[in-house]
Amino acid sequence: KQEVTQIPAALSVPEGENLVLNCSFTDSAIYNLQWFRQDPGKGLTSLLLIQSSQREQTSGRLNASLDKSSGRSTLYIAASQPGDSATYLCAVSPSGGSYIPTFGRGTSLIVHP
Amino acid sequence: DGGITQSPKYLFRKEGQNVTLSCEQNLNHDAMYWYRQDPGQGLRLIYYSQIVNDFQKGDIAEGYSVSREKKESFPLTVTSAQKNPTAFYLCASSVDGSHKGYTFGSGTRLTVV
Repeated sequence: KQEVTQIPAALSVPEGENLVLNCSFTDSAIYNLQWFRQDPGKGLTSLLLIQSSQREQTSGRLNASLDKSSGRSTLYIAASQPGDSATYLCAVSPSGGSYIPTFGRGTSLIVHP
Repeated sequence: DGGITQSPKYLFRKEGQNVTLSCEQNLNHDAMYWYRQDPGQGLRLIYYSQIVNDFQKGDIAEGYSVSREKKESFPLTVTSAQKNPTAFYLCASSVDGSHKGYTFGSGTRLTVV
C-alpha cells in the first residue's frame, strides 16, 4: 500500500526565505503527483500537477520536482511571503487500477513578516 | 466560473440523526469523491464515483451512504451508524477516473451536538 510522508510537519520562517517542502512515497509506480495548498477551514487549492513522465513543473514562485526512482518530490517556494502561510499537501496517484490518490498529512507553513 | 459547491458550510447534528451534505459541480467531470479530514490526519477517502449510477467504497465507508443520480451531484449522507462524525468533509472531482488532477470544494464542517 502506498505511503506518503511529508517533512517537515511544520515550518516557521521569516519573510523572503526560499523554502523546500518534501514529499516522499514508497511505491514508485505512480500516474501523477499533485501539490495542494489548504488555508485554515478551507478546501484544497491545486498548485501544481506533475505527470509521471515529467521531472518538474513551475508556476510563478513555485517549482515542483519529481524523482520517481527515489520516491521523492519537492516543492520549492521562492522569496516566501506572509500570504504563503498555509498547509501544503501532496497527493500521489498510482498507475493502473482506480488511480485513487494517497495524501500526505501536509506541512504547515508560517511565514512571518 | 466552473467549480465545486459544497453546502452547507457548517452543519450541526444531534445524536441519532442522519444528515446529508451537498456537493455539486459544473466542471463536467465524470468522477467525484468524498473525503474526511481530521486534525493531524491526512485526507481519508469515504466514497467515490467514476460514473453516474455507480459508486465505490473508500477506506472508511462505514456509517456513510452516497448516491450519484446525476453527473453534477454527489450527496453524502452521514447516518446515525457513524459513531464519530465530527470532522471536516471535502468533496472533489476529476475529469475522469484516470485523474488529470483533482478539484476540491470548500468543505463542510460537521459537528455533533
